[in-house]
This record gives sequence, C-alpha cells and structure tokens, in this order.
Amino acid sequence: EVQLMQSGSEVKKPGESLRISCKGSGFSFTNYWITWVRQMPGKGLEWMGRIDPTDSETNYSPSFQGHVTISTDKSITTAYLQWSSLRASDTAMYYCARPVGPGTDALDVWGQGTMVSVSS
Amino acid sequence: DIQMTQSPSSLSASVGDRVTITCQASQDINNYLNWYQQKPGKAPKLLIYDASNLETGVPSRFSGSGSGTDFTFTISSLQPEDIATYHCQQYDTLPHTFGQGTKLEIK
Repeated sequence: EVQLMQSGSEVKKPGESLRISCKGSGFSFTNYWITWVRQMPGKGLEWMGRIDPTDSETNYSPSFQGHVTISTDKSITTAYLQWSSLRASDTAMYYCARPVGPGTDALDVWGQGTMVSVSS
Repeated sequence: DIQMTQSPSSLSASVGDRVTITCQASQDINNYLNWYQQKPGKAPKLLIYDASNLETGVPSRFSGSGSGTDFTFTISSLQPEDIATYHCQQYDTLPHTFGQGTKLEIK
C-alpha cells in the first residue's frame, strides 16, 4: 500500500526547535517530490515547499523561506520539516504529500497530518 | 505569487442540487489546476487534476473545466457525503498556491 506516515503531534514553547517527519512506503521514494502543506486552525491550505529526494533539491514558498528547512534521508525514505525557533503563529496542522507522478504537483497521496502547537 | 481566488467562500445547497465553485487565477496558469476535497479532521483528497481530469475512483458527478485564468468545479447532483471544504491549487508557477477554500454545507 502506498502511504505517507507522519510523526505524532507536538506541543512546544516559542523559541524551541522541532523536526517532524514523513515516512514513505509502498513506492519508489526517490521518484517523487515530497511537498509540505500548512493548515492553520480553521483556515485554508498553504503550500510551503517541496523536496526531490533524489538530490535534495528544494523549492520554498517565499512565505516560509528562511523560517523552515525541508530535508530528506532517502536511505530511510523519510522527509523532514524543521524549525530552529518556533513561533506561536506556527501552530497548525502540517501535511506531507506526494504527487501523482513526475512533472505534476497533483497531490494524490497525503500523510495523516502532524499537529504542532506552540504556546508559552 | 499567483493568487487563487475561490468563489463562494461558503455555500449551502440541497441534496440533488447542482453545485458550482469557481477559481480564478491572478495570471494565466494554462490548465495546471487541481481540485481537492477535505472533510473535517481529514487530509485533503485529490478529485480533479489538470483542470478536468477525474482522479481514479472519484465519482463521475464531480467534474472540472476551464483554462487560462478561470476554472469551474461542479457537482452534478449533491450527495450528503459531499459535505466538505473544496480547495483549488495551481501548479503552473512556484509556489504552487491554493485558493482559500469553499465550505459546502447541506441546506
């Protein structure tokens, strides 16, 4: 079964660091970009960025560039989303997703989401 | 960034109704437009890709059309299980932005 399995929910304080993960299985991990999407409480979807596990090439939305880091360890078919200093405004659900195929960003496989709560 | 404007932001309709949602891009995105359905507490689900192509396993009452800057998503006969929020997404130009979503409710 093709799936993306995300790490569990997190409760953090402002200024703390965090890395959440997204493990792919059932498909050739290096054949698909992995995209990260944010959904703040009660709000719409925001495209954060994506990574090519083959060579770790990344594309970031300017809205997130410099505040998050997307990385991957293809040896364990896992992608990561990382913060060095969290803010209260990072409180959101974060999804990883995989496209239908190369040359498209139609996201047909999604992780279950990781809820990140940041509060003092 | 390309701005994606969905209309309406919320919609109330009756079972059996024809429902239409529009998505307008701030610039030409060719047909690089996807539609997703998101039910409460769940991850989004791809319904339509490349403006008009139905994802495998998605009921045929869902359809999409359009090109350039103006796109339409239609449910031909609303079913109770279609209650959800619908999102459009362009992938012509990075970043691959989403619309703000349309919340669909049963009247």
